[in-house]
Formats: sequence, C-alpha cells, structure tokens
Amino acid sequence: EDQVTQSPEALRLQEGESSSLNCSYTVSGLRGLFWYRQDPGKGPEFLFTLYSAGEEKEKERLKATLTKKESFLHITAPKPEDSATYLCAVQARSNYQLIWGAGTKLIIKP
Amino acid sequence: DSGVTQTPKHLITATGQRVTLRCSPRSGDLSVYWYQQSLDQGLQFLIQYYNGEERAKGNILERFSAQQFPDLHSELNLSSLELGDSALYFCASSARSGANVLTFGAGSRLTVL
Repeated sequence: EDQVTQSPEALRLQEGESSSLNCSYTVSGLRGLFWYRQDPGKGPEFLFTLYSAGEEKEKERLKATLTKKESFLHITAPKPEDSATYLCAVQARSNYQLIWGAGTKLIIKP
Repeated sequence: DSGVTQTPKHLITATGQRVTLRCSPRSGDLSVYWYQQSLDQGLQFLIQYYNGEERAKGNILERFSAQQFPDLHSELNLSSLELGDSALYFCASSARSGANVLTFGAGSRLTVL
C-alpha cells in the first residue's frame, strides 16, 4: 500500500537553529514528491517538486532533497515567519492522485 | 489570495442536517479537487472533477456528493451529518487533470454539534 510518513509530528526551534524534517514513503513507482506549507486557517501552498533520487531544490531558507525512500526538508537559520505545518505528498506512476503525509508542525521561537 | 474561493468559511450545524460547500477554481483551471482535513487523519482526498466530469474518487462517503457546473464552480454536498464529519474541507484546482501542483482555497470549517 502506498503511504507517506512524516517525522517529527512537531518541532520547536529557536530562531537561527537549523534542522531537518523527514518524509519517508513507500510507493509503487514514484512519479514525484511534493512539499507544501500550510499556515493556520489557510490551505496548503506549494513549495517544491522532486522527481528523482539525488535531486535538490532550494527556496530562501528551505532546501528539499530526495532519496529512493525519503525526502528531507532542510531549514537553515529559520525565522519566526517560517513557523507553519509542512506537508509532504507523493504521486505514484499508477495513480496520479496525491498521497499526503500528516505533516510536521514547525514552531520557530524568537 | 490563491485565486481559489471557498464559501462559507465557517459552518455550524446539527447532526442529521445537510450542508453545501461551494468552490470557485482559479481562473483558467479546469480541474477541481475536494479534500477533508481532520486533526487525526491529515488531508484525505474525496473526489476530483475535470471540466464538468467526475475524474477520480477517493475516500468519499455515500452521504457525500459533489458536482462541477458548466461555469466550472463546484459544490460538495454533505448529508445526514455526523459528529465525525466535523473537519476542514478544502477545494483545490489545477489546469489539467493529472496535475500534481494544486492551488488550494482557504477551506470551509464544518462543525457538527
């Protein structure tokens, strides 16, 4: 069964303290892996798409990487405005519907 | 503003009632997706429409139904509501059917008492 697991469920960091969020997946043929950001009271907002192992994408303080079994979202020197829930989703070759993880709630304290 | 409009933002109703949630996709997008998000289950795909036709079904209950109209707006109908139906309901849109980059609305928060 295709599934996505994100860890940790919640992460509290001090401003400037770098860390990583994990997204592990099992899927029968990966078409793509996606990271979204969700702020309280809002819908998810697209961040990155990764298609193959070894691929990396960067945006400001965020960098997403992909291996054959997992993806990491690295956050470098985070700021309070980076606080949000980060969602990971995968798309299988056999079924284009996205399969979502439960998310990691990131809290950056000033 | 993402360009996807959902109404109402909040809705409180009683068990056994029926409600309708409305979604207008981003201009130019033909595909509409409905998702349910509850605290313990994350985002659950319900159903997808493309240019007026049902394209895919997820874990949608028989008490729930949806449609997409000729002007591309969509409605999600929830009937015989139960306490467990309390959740955030999101609509998302994309330009084509097999897209993986979705634009989400702000959601409709349903509370069933």
